[in-house]
Amino acid sequence: NAGVTQTPKFQVLKTGQSMTLQCAQDMNHEYMSWYRQDPGMGLRLIHYSVGAGITDQGEVPNGYNVSRSTTEDFPLRLLSAAPSQTSVYFCASSYGSGTAPYEQYFGPGTRLTVT
Amino acid sequence: ILNVEQSPQSLHVQEGDSTNFTCSFPSSNFYALHWYRWETAKSPEALFVMTLNGDEKKKGRISATLNTKEGYSYLYIKGSQPEDSATYLCAPRGGGQGGKLIFGQGTELSVKP
Repeated sequence: NAGVTQTPKFQVLKTGQSMTLQCAQDMNHEYMSWYRQDPGMGLRLIHYSVGAGITDQGEVPNGYNVSRSTTEDFPLRLLSAAPSQTSVYFCASSYGSGTAPYEQYFGPGTRLTVT
Repeated sequence: ILNVEQSPQSLHVQEGDSTNFTCSFPSSNFYALHWYRWETAKSPEALFVMTLNGDEKKKGRISATLNTKEGYSYLYIKGSQPEDSATYLCAPRGGGQGGKLIFGQGTELSVKP
């Protein structure tokens, strides 16, 4: 299993540009989430999904859209990039059963710089 | 969603010191508490998932306890080593929250050789 994969690993955008960060998992996990890393604030939840077709907002959803058309994929779209969106973005997946329910499996991260 | 506070924000210790830090959360509607270890330039990794009051978990030199009645969890590291340097995150999960985890701001541990 590849686990959780994210592409690209690095991206530089100009203010106002849009782009999509890709996330995929091959573990058949029902839950998927997007987080951003902010200095002194740890990880903040952007959006999450409880299954295909179902998404909900997290702590910091403004400026981002998500969709979940399949169990495997959960792309994050930046509508109009702003310097405040410069961050490292992590995708995570989890499932609700087993010995450690809802334990998050994180992808390697995408480092985004907005100039 | 349960609000969470972690203390201290950062900690600097010498190799061999034992250390501990705290995760505080509201005790109402509690379901589980997650601890993660996050090394610089890497992805967070799960340490423990704890659910029962009085739960104790251990992994090597790292252990954690849980008090759901008063709303806190302690993470202990015995005989800290430089490779323990990382940010330690906790995330309490409430009933009905499913896979939606809101993390605390973390405790950044630095262990000097």
